[in-house]
Amino acid sequence: DAGVTQSPTHLIKTRGQQVTLRCSPKSGHDTVSWYQQALGQGPQFIFQYYEEEERQRGNFPDRFSGHQFPNYSSELNVNALLLGDSALYLCASSFPTGPYPEAFFGQGTRLTVV
Amino acid sequence: AQKVTQAQTEISVVEKEDVTLDCVYETRDTTYYLFWYKQPPSGELVFLIRRNSFDEQNEISGRYSWNFQKSTSSFNFTITASQVVDSAVYFCALSEADSGTYKYIFGTGTRLKVLA
Repeated sequence: DAGVTQSPTHLIKTRGQQVTLRCSPKSGHDTVSWYQQALGQGPQFIFQYYEEEERQRGNFPDRFSGHQFPNYSSELNVNALLLGDSALYLCASSFPTGPYPEAFFGQGTRLTVV
Repeated sequence: AQKVTQAQTEISVVEKEDVTLDCVYETRDTTYYLFWYKQPPSGELVFLIRRNSFDEQNEISGRYSWNFQKSTSSFNFTITASQVVDSAVYFCALSEADSGTYKYIFGTGTRLKVLA
């Protein structure tokens, strides 16, 4: 059973560019959440997608947007990249309607903005 | 406001020692979940344990055990007989059921170094 998979694993972009990160959830999971983890910090919630809709959003600017596809996979898009966007981006999938809402995380995409 | 505090930034122990990682949380919700995750250098967050707000029974699972005390808003995690492979960053997280999304609020993590 494949877990959560993310692509690419590493990415280097220039300030002002746009980036798209991808996530395939764990089999059977219908909810995808994205987190940003700056160096030495805990992950911060960006947003969550369920049934192809953004269900909740954290304290991130509109430059961060996302999408969920009918197969539950998801994309995170960041426009007008800033140096401060350099971080590990983690995707988590879950099935929150079940009794145990623990999320399963992918290995992350490490984004470096230069 | 929801908040998770892990006051220990880094802990070093010698192999086979027991180690306890501290976690203090803040929430106004009555229904919530607490988690511990392990993050090895590869980056993936690995689920370790979960406890819901209605169950304060402390348990042991292999070398892992946890102490959940609502009175002090603490959810401490203990590794017994630590091993070098336990070296990683450990995160405590809070998830509130009332929001419907179960988004996670993480602490800043505790880096555990187990020395051979």
